[in-house]
Amino acid sequence: LAKTTQPISMDSYEGQEVNITCSHNNIATNDYITWYQQFPSQGPRFIIQGYKTKVTNEVASLFIPADRKSSTLSLPRVSLSDTAVYYCLVVGDNQGGKLIFGQGTELSVKP
Amino acid sequence: DADVTQTPRNRITKTGKRIMLECSQTKGHDRMYWYRQDPGLGLRLIYYSFDVKDINKGEISDGYSVSRQAQAKFSLSLESAIPNQTALYFCATSDSLSARTEAFFGQGTRLTVV
Repeated sequence: LAKTTQPISMDSYEGQEVNITCSHNNIATNDYITWYQQFPSQGPRFIIQGYKTKVTNEVASLFIPADRKSSTLSLPRVSLSDTAVYYCLVVGDNQGGKLIFGQGTELSVKP
Repeated sequence: DADVTQTPRNRITKTGKRIMLECSQTKGHDRMYWYRQDPGLGLRLIYYSFDVKDINKGEISDGYSVSRQAQAKFSLSLESAIPNQTALYFCATSDSLSARTEAFFGQGTRLTVV
């Protein structure tokens, strides 16, 4: 199974761009990288998914280098409401279809 | 109405009691999951089910059992509750046919074992 490693916590200020990097050295060929956001006392919410290069949606961008051993979630111009825990998951048949959440990165956005 | 509904939302029970947490979904998804979350920690997978006849243990299944009564219903039981099972429990669903591996979570059940 592909294990993911990401920073435990990060601090930022409103208006800044935040980049959260996740390493997944054992990612398999058919695996995808998925990110979730969780607010206190709520279930996680899907943010973005990618396989390689760059994916962008209305919330975030996901950068994946050619070797796919890491990925970076980029949140442009964060606001206080982006304070949450962000999880990086590797998903696919190699994981048995399971969704395994690590400890996540607790992002704190300050005014 | 929520797509994934958990009942009860909050529960206080005594050590040694049997308790069942229920989850139902209206999304038509085939896959369902149960997770627990402890303060300051991420989510840990307890059990998962990929269809009505499929039940699999997750990372921390000891002390728990599940039942997939129908495609839309997945319940989690604590046969004999103990205090260290005090946690926030989440049910989730996903669609194996979707190109995007997106899981949808319920509102959570806060369980306290005293």
